[in-house]
Amino acid sequence: EVQLVESGGGLVQPGGSLRLSCAASGFTVTNNYMTWVRQAPGKGLEWVSVIYSGGGSYFADSVKGRFTISRDNSKNTLYLQMSSLRAEDTAVYYCARIDHSYYGMDVWGQGTTVTVSS
Amino acid sequence: QSALTQPASVSGSPGQAITISCTGASSDVGNYEYVSWYQHHPGKAPKLMIYEVSNRPSGVSNRFSGSKSGNTASLTISGLQAEDEADYYCSSYTSYSTIYVFGTGTKVTVL
Repeated sequence: EVQLVESGGGLVQPGGSLRLSCAASGFTVTNNYMTWVRQAPGKGLEWVSVIYSGGGSYFADSVKGRFTISRDNSKNTLYLQMSSLRAEDTAVYYCARIDHSYYGMDVWGQGTTVTVSS
Repeated sequence: QSALTQPASVSGSPGQAITISCTGASSDVGNYEYVSWYQHHPGKAPKLMIYEVSNRPSGVSNRFSGSKSGNTASLTISGLQAEDEADYYCSSYTSYSTIYVFGTGTKVTVL
């Protein structure tokens, strides 16, 4: 079964760091485009970052310079390293697979919650 | 890169058809066929409903259809059902370095 399971969310103080994980099953992370999307409380979906199968990555302006995206082939896992966290980074973070033929996000995880607060 | 513009809410009675618009610019919706639509029930994972403007993934009801004209894409739900009540988001590939952009989201209410 094709599945994504996120973990690593929690409560962190402003300025702190956190690493989110997204474990995949049923397909290989490194052979696909993978992305992170978040939803702040009461807000809509916001695209955060993408990593292409070739390794190139892009970020939303709101997280550029603070977040990095990576993957581990041996663990078939996608990561989002978040640093210099701000209150406005509080959100449910979803990982998703992008079908590279049509750039649609066809497989999604259930999400992990990040709360940035003192 | 601003979010694509969607109406905040759309409602309809069971059996009716509704249409949700998604307005972007020539840098995104107007220049690419990579427009997708997602259904999101609160607390659940979003679900891909339409890709490449008008294509339905396997398993998605044919009551859902998509189209595009210029800088505006649209999602139509025909034969509205109670289970269609959810938030809907469009998204598009964009020529900006940010690559992807979502719409502001539309809450669909079945009366």
